[in-house]
Amino acid sequence: QSALTQPASVSGSPGQSITISCTGTSSDVGGYNYVSWYQQHPGKAPKLMIYEVSNRPSGVPDRFSGSKSGNTASLTISGLQAEDEADYYCSSYTSSSTYVVFGGGTKLTVL
Amino acid sequence: QVQLQESGPGLVKPSETLSLTCTVSGGSISSYYWSWIRQPAGKGLEWIGRIYTSGSTNYNPSLKSRVTMSVDTSKNQFSLKLSSVTAADTAVYYCAREGGWNEGYFDYWGQGTLVTVSS
Repeated sequence: QSALTQPASVSGSPGQSITISCTGTSSDVGGYNYVSWYQQHPGKAPKLMIYEVSNRPSGVPDRFSGSKSGNTASLTISGLQAEDEADYYCSSYTSSSTYVVFGGGTKLTVL
Repeated sequence: QVQLQESGPGLVKPSETLSLTCTVSGGSISSYYWSWIRQPAGKGLEWIGRIYTSGSTNYNPSLKSRVTMSVDTSKNQFSLKLSSVTAADTAVYYCAREGGWNEGYFDYWGQGTLVTVSS
């Protein structure tokens, strides 16, 4: 069982917007602005999409945005494109000795 | 552009030690934390541990008794050893660079290497 809770799957049509939630506790998501999001296509390594809750690395489209409220972080993808179909994982720094925890992943299907 | 490449045996026998090396190119290994992360087939990501270029380490408590990490700055490499492996250790193992400072996010990843534990 993963430390952070994500929905197993979400779907949307091209051009639409979707949001993926990531729920933790006050020891991780709620306690620090150190939430990150990764995109993983089949057979590929994860790719950093968002760090520090809402910052995008260079090269990541501004269609991807992140936010946080309390113990829940969210990744929003607007203007869905076919190439966005992938697994998405959230992660957070944690004050426990585990240091970083991941969500179980969400499969995004672009219909 | 920083690149990471994992290397090591793809098949390890139960009870033996898994050994992997990550070679960093396109940048210096110095002044960063470097992590190992694994992913069993069809499952999520698990952080194994990290090492700083000084040799300081932090390990996931669930694996701490079996994990050893080391770094060789002269070769721009860092390594993972996981002892007493079982089938549950079968996974794709990734090496990754930590961005920021103690923020727990990873900005560069290796392509991953599949390690199967089987006799």
